[in-house]
Amino acid sequence: EPEVTQTPSHQVTQMGQEVILRCVPISNHLYFYWYRQILGQKVEFLVSFYNNEISEKSEIFDDQFSVERPDGSNFTLKIRSTKLEDSAMYFCASSQDRGRNSPLHFGNGTRLTVT
Amino acid sequence: GDSVTQMEGPVTLSEEAFLTINCTYTATGYPSLFWYVQYPGEGLQLLLKATKADDKGSNKGFEATYRKETTSFHLEKGSVQVSDSAVYFCALTTTNYGGSQGNLIFGKGTKLSVKP
Repeated sequence: EPEVTQTPSHQVTQMGQEVILRCVPISNHLYFYWYRQILGQKVEFLVSFYNNEISEKSEIFDDQFSVERPDGSNFTLKIRSTKLEDSAMYFCASSQDRGRNSPLHFGNGTRLTVT
Repeated sequence: GDSVTQMEGPVTLSEEAFLTINCTYTATGYPSLFWYVQYPGEGLQLLLKATKADDKGSNKGFEATYRKETTSFHLEKGSVQVSDSAVYFCALTTTNYGGSQGNLIFGKGTKLSVKP
C-alpha cells in the first residue's frame, strides 16, 4: 500500500538554526498537511497546502515557518530560526480530496530536537 | 473553540479483556469524528470514522458510535490482543460538505498496553 514517507526520522539542531523537514506524499494525492505533537501534548494542525499554495494555517504557523513543494514529489516544512519550544514530533499527511470522507494518510513523523 | 477530550492513560489490560476509551467533544456545526491509532514507531493511521449522528464506525473489531446527545464517540473492543498495544487518538473536524478535512482537532491520545 502506498505510504507517506518522512525524512529524517530524527533531527537535532541548535537554537537559531534553520531546519527543513521533508515529506514525500502519496503520489496521486493533491492535499498536503503538517501537524506537530509536542511531547505529552495534543497533535496540533499547522498548515494545509493545495495547488501550490497554503489553503489554511493555524496560529502556530507564524512567519518563521514556511512550506514548499519544490518538485512533483517532495513537500517540505522549513523552520527559519528554531527555538527550544519547536522541539516536537512533526507529522506530514496527504489526502486525495478535501472532503470529510477522504482520509488523511500520515507519515511516521520526524522528531525534531532543538538544543 | 472546538475541542476533544479523551480519558487519560495509560490503560493496561490483559489479553481478551474488554476495552473502552472515552472521548467527548465540543464543536460548532456538524463535526465528523475519527479514531486514529499510532503503533510504536509508526505514523497515525485512521482506525474508524463517523460523519453524522448515530453512525457507527467499525474496523478491526473496534467500534465507536457518534452520540450527539452526549457529545461522545467512545472507542470499544470486545476482546483486545497484544497487537492492539498502541496510542489511540480521538479527533474531529468541523467542515461543511466539500470543505477541508485537514484541520483535524485531536485529543491528547490514550496509550493502551495489552499484556499476554
